[in-house]
Amino acid sequence: GAVVSQHPSRVICKSGTSVKIECRSLDFQATTMFWYRQFPKQSLMLMATSNEGSKATYEQGVEKDKFLINHASLTLSTLTVTSAHPEDSSFYICSAKFFGTGDYEQYFGPGTRLTVT
Amino acid sequence: AQSVSQHNHHVILSEAASLELGCNYSYGGTVNLFWYVQYPGQHLQLLLKYFSGDPLVKGIKGFEAEFIKSKFSFNLRKPSVQWSDTAEYFCAVTGSGGYQKVTFGTGTKLQVIP
Repeated sequence: GAVVSQHPSRVICKSGTSVKIECRSLDFQATTMFWYRQFPKQSLMLMATSNEGSKATYEQGVEKDKFLINHASLTLSTLTVTSAHPEDSSFYICSAKFFGTGDYEQYFGPGTRLTVT
Repeated sequence: AQSVSQHNHHVILSEAASLELGCNYSYGGTVNLFWYVQYPGQHLQLLLKYFSGDPLVKGIKGFEAEFIKSKFSFNLRKPSVQWSDTAEYFCAVTGSGGYQKVTFGTGTKLQVIP
């Protein structure tokens, strides 16, 4: 099956610094990748949709200057949390889609736990 | 705007009990529907999906779901749960078409008591 990886799995950073999270589709080409944020005991909140080679589309309320998304290739998307603050601490999950034979399923990465101190 | 409601937030069952988790959605077009499971400490995994055809969908680990268009529902069922089914279950909906975003429900935490 399709595999999506994320790196790092856990990261702790100091307030004011930036941190980059990578999302890779390992065995397929993902024309679209999604970034989600999951709060404790809550559902996934879509942050942005990233299409390869174009600018990401952010959901309402998500600061695009704070959460920088780059989808430079068909297998890699990155999320950079700039000037992180403790309230940015969360579980960030990416997913990827490919469009073979009309299959619109998303494949999820294992998530990245970000803690800002 | 599309939305998903999961009415059961926390369900506790004994092993061998039957399970039904409710999911209702709101969307003004053709939908694709999913159930995902998140085991403790693990990432989201797809249980089953409905795109078209037979409204009764069978997934992995003995789970099934029925799409009832008239009720805008896609309830998840399993005739006999096991302790290993303890997890959080998310219903999700997307419009048909590859670039449609997926909207998740708030999740149902299932606890199965041995």
